[in-house]
Amino acid sequence: EAAVTQSPRSKVAVTGGKVTLSCHQTNNHDYMYWYRQDTGHGLRLIHYSYVADSTEKGDIPDGYKASRPSQENFSLILELASLSQTAVYFCASRTGTGGIYAEQFFGPGTRLTVL
Amino acid sequence: AQSVTQPDARVTVSEGASLQLRCKYSYFGTPYLFWYVQYPRQGLQLLLKYYPGDPVVQGVNGFEAEFSKSNSSFHLRKASVHWSDWAVYFCAVWHNYAQGLTFGLGTRVSVFP
Repeated sequence: EAAVTQSPRSKVAVTGGKVTLSCHQTNNHDYMYWYRQDTGHGLRLIHYSYVADSTEKGDIPDGYKASRPSQENFSLILELASLSQTAVYFCASRTGTGGIYAEQFFGPGTRLTVL
Repeated sequence: AQSVTQPDARVTVSEGASLQLRCKYSYFGTPYLFWYVQYPRQGLQLLLKYYPGDPVVQGVNGFEAEFSKSNSSFHLRKASVHWSDWAVYFCAVWHNYAQGLTFGLGTRVSVFP
């Protein structure tokens, strides 16, 4: 069973502060993703990566940075957290083989509240 | 740009009844479509996926979906709902720019005895 873990599971941050969300996968997958989930917006892609030390922008990258220091780890960084970034954040991974048919495996999510 | 519309935000169904969740997509070219389920306080899990071929796709837990190119739809259905199907269901299409998924807003399914 593919495994994706996220930490922390929940966090309260102050406006203007720095927040780092971490994701770890033990699937030996090439691709990793960060999505955010808002009420009324479903999930939206923030950043993704297909190899260590490289990240790519998704649909809504503004206000976020990503870091992929190794194949297993993928972080999402909010340098200056804002109220609008209050959401649930999901990490996912998938294999590079099997192309677009390859299933994405999701972590349990991190609930971020910015005050 | 690709998009997915799930017109029903909430659906309530009795246990044992049939269920259909609607999904409409907009996509240039051949779409690759997915249904995911999110159980309470959990991440998303894949129910089924469509790639060109048989328009009816079988998934886990008795779910199936039917692709229609003429209607730009990929509706999910289940013949007999169980209380454990209480969840949020997301339709998604492969993103033709980023190597990820574009999701619909989701349909929240409540099951009552």
